[in-house]
Amino acid sequence: GNSVTQMEGPVTLSEEAFLTINCTYTATGYPSLFWYVQYPGEGLQLLLKATKADDKGSNKGFEATYRKETTSFHLEKGSVQVSDSAVYFCALSDRGFGNEKLTFGTGTRLTIIP
Amino acid sequence: NAGVTQTPKFQVLKTGQSMTLQCAQDMNHEYMSWYRQDPGMGLRLIHYSVGAGITDQGEVPNGYNVSRSTTEDFPLRLLSAAPSQTSVYFCASTYGQGNTEAFFGQGTRLTVV
Repeated sequence: GNSVTQMEGPVTLSEEAFLTINCTYTATGYPSLFWYVQYPGEGLQLLLKATKADDKGSNKGFEATYRKETTSFHLEKGSVQVSDSAVYFCALSDRGFGNEKLTFGTGTRLTIIP
Repeated sequence: NAGVTQTPKFQVLKTGQSMTLQCAQDMNHEYMSWYRQDPGMGLRLIHYSVGAGITDQGEVPNGYNVSRSTTEDFPLRLLSAAPSQTSVYFCASTYGQGNTEAFFGQGTRLTVV
């Protein structure tokens, strides 16, 4: 079956530091890949996505590239801000489905200190 | 535009009690899903629906029932609550096939004592 392995947390960084959160996946076929973010007390929000190999998703300064050869979708940001403090989830969806069946990683809690 | 609305936000149940978690969306989305979020385990799919009258099981369906009588509503029923069902529950909806974004509600925190 499908699975997503995500970097263990929590992660604490200083403001303006470089961020990487690792994500690797196992899937049959060619899944779509996502990063979702959960701010305190809220539901999940889509941060970025990539639907095929070598695609780069980007939003709010975050980026992730769909690497089929390494089955990875690592999240990066060049300079984090306090407002980026949240829990980040890597997820995949089988191609052909409408994202009603997402497989999630365990989540990585990120705290940015001023 | 309310998006996905879940009620209640918090609930405490005694073992053996029943309850229904409500989920409604106003975006005319075809697909809806229920997930539970547990520490160290991410979100796991409980049940999902691809349209009114159509439901199917996800990864962890035991102890939960669903129905989809309208496009807007997708309630999750716990028939006899157990402490193992203590969790945060999220409802999500998507427009349909084509890798469209999944929208999530704010969650229901359920404690079974």
